[in-house]
Amino acid sequence: GAVVSQHPSRVICKSGTSVKIECRSLDFQATTMFWYRQFPKQSLMLMATSNEGSKATYEQGVEKDKFLINHASLTLSTLTVTSAHPEDSSFYICSARDGGFTEAFFGQGTRLTVV
Amino acid sequence: AQRVTQPEKLLSVFKGAPVELKCNYSYSGSPELFWYVQYSRQRLQLLLRHISRESIKGFTADLNKGETSFHLKKPFAQEEDSAMYYCALQGGSEKLVFGKGTKLTVNP
Repeated sequence: GAVVSQHPSRVICKSGTSVKIECRSLDFQATTMFWYRQFPKQSLMLMATSNEGSKATYEQGVEKDKFLINHASLTLSTLTVTSAHPEDSSFYICSARDGGFTEAFFGQGTRLTVV
Repeated sequence: AQRVTQPEKLLSVFKGAPVELKCNYSYSGSPELFWYVQYSRQRLQLLLRHISRESIKGFTADLNKGETSFHLKKPFAQEEDSAMYYCALQGGSEKLVFGKGTKLTVNP
């Protein structure tokens, strides 16, 4: 299957700083990318959907000014957690798809810890 | 609204026993349903999708529109089937909505 690479896999940052997470599709063009958040022992919560070259669509309750998503190319999307706080600590997962109803491939996830 | 319900957080069976992981959904249109699996320390990966009507690793799932269910079944569970299983629904929009997941443990 296709490969989606997420970087970094783990990051620790200080409260108040910003951190950027990258999601790359390595062998296909990702027209659509999704960002999820997963709390311990809970399901994946969709945060936003982004299409290449356009603004991301955020789910209800997700602060777009706090979680900045950029999908500038067909192989790269970034999630920037701005002014991070301890409550932002979580596991963030991206997935990518190259068409409307094709299979979505998942990155390995990024464990963010805000101290 | 799209909603996926997996009523069992944990499911434990013995090797060789049948297993059924339940999934019910709520969606007004015609959904596309998926089962994803996450083995220990690995990323989420697609197990099967209802549109393919295929059997993967001995697992099958049938979409029952009358009962709005998409239960995952395997007649003889193996230890290597132990994992987290997520049922997911894609409606008219592109987004994929996941259930809370069921942790399957297959005991020797």
